[in-house]
Amino acid sequence: GAVVSQHPSWVICKSGTSVKIECRSLDFQATTMFWYRQFPKQSLMLMATSNEGSKATYEQGVEKDKFLINHASLTLSTLTVTSAHPEDSSFYICSARAPSQAFNYGYTFGSGTRLTVV
Amino acid sequence: RKEVEQDPGPFNVPEGATVAFNCTYSNSASQSFFWYRQDCRKEPKLLMSVYSSGNEDGRFTAQLNRASQYISLLIRDSKLSDSATYLCVVNDRYNFNKFYFGSGTKLNVKP
Repeated sequence: GAVVSQHPSWVICKSGTSVKIECRSLDFQATTMFWYRQFPKQSLMLMATSNEGSKATYEQGVEKDKFLINHASLTLSTLTVTSAHPEDSSFYICSARAPSQAFNYGYTFGSGTRLTVV
Repeated sequence: RKEVEQDPGPFNVPEGATVAFNCTYSNSASQSFFWYRQDCRKEPKLLMSVYSSGNEDGRFTAQLNRASQYISLLIRDSKLSDSATYLCVVNDRYNFNKFYFGSGTKLNVKP
């Protein structure tokens, strides 16, 4: 149980375009999902907390107008990188925890999306 | 100061060796602790939670030292398949949804 699916796995886009990344909880409902970013050889950094039916909560230093998050249903959160630039190239990963999972179980991660902006 | 600090390694060990990693955290109010494993260009996967009394799962043993604010992971009888980056993860007591990740310790197990 507690499967999180992320799509696409990788994407290459031109500078200035927007890219949408989807994160789905396949076998549970997730009122909260999390978006992380990981640059090479660095740790995962929490970008924002996606809340179903309300606005996302962004971490300090993350531009909410650049990284648009929509969590319109209990099984889907999307992250849109708007007007992407090469410095946005990174590994984006979402995570969620099924309500049935004990808190000490941690969170399940999607398979990640490797974004390359050229 | 980083919330979670780890030695990046790499730790290069032969098959069958015992290897240990430590991780220190800065927030004494942290409540939950985990070790995740991340293979190259993949998502992190939970290896084990870390309990106050210490816990073991097969060849893996995790310990928590709250007084010194560090957690450890011991791997016995290393296998080639253990080669990966091991991430130390800590959450905040007052915001249990917020996780801090260490930058990881790379382990290479060689034949």
